[in-house]
Amino acid sequence: AQSVTQLDSHVSVSEGTPVLLRCNYSSSYSPSLFWYVQHPNKGLQLLLKYTSAATLVKGINGFEAEFKKSETSFHLTKPSAHMSDAAEYFCVVSEPGSARQLTFGSGTQLTVLP
Amino acid sequence: DVKVTQSSRYLVKRTGEKVFLECVQDMDHENMFWYRQDPGLGLRLIYFSYDVKMKEKGDIPEGYSVSREKKERFSLILESASTNQTSMYLCASSPQQGAGNQPQHFGDGTRLSIL
Repeated sequence: AQSVTQLDSHVSVSEGTPVLLRCNYSSSYSPSLFWYVQHPNKGLQLLLKYTSAATLVKGINGFEAEFKKSETSFHLTKPSAHMSDAAEYFCVVSEPGSARQLTFGSGTQLTVLP
Repeated sequence: DVKVTQSSRYLVKRTGEKVFLECVQDMDHENMFWYRQDPGLGLRLIYFSYDVKMKEKGDIPEGYSVSREKKERFSLILESASTNQTSMYLCASSPQQGAGNQPQHFGDGTRLSIL
């Protein structure tokens, strides 16, 4: 069985400061991991994905995430927050070979203060 | 870019009505999914389909059915709408090749209210 835990339900940062959204996972297999972003009243947009290649993954809009197997973590970071980054972020774990087996985290709401 | 289009952004229906939510994708993906999203409960899988006319139940299929007559189109049906089906519904698609390693691509969602 696989699971994913987003450690913070809400994160608040000031514009121009770093962003850290934390995600821990549990999986019996070598997982694929994804981060999605959801702006209000919109669908989920893929930010980045890890699929057993480089452990540091770069995504869109300046976001990146590092896969740490020893810590079973896949934290999302950005050096400098913009107002447009305010949204909800989902960490997702997937079981290889199974189209159905996506497990979503409960989400982290990011607020960016001016 | 993959485009997943949901036919309605907002929909208001009455209790007991039969409701159809439509989803179309333009990337020839084999897999299509229907989720509902509720505050505090995250995304929950209702049904998915891995081929035309094929469907499998997700985690919360009760009160719903689906139809996939063409590869690009996946419909969610509420047989007799109830107020507890008021929610945000999200459709997604993904290719079969590399299943599990491929992300799903989402539509913008349909916010459904049942009165």
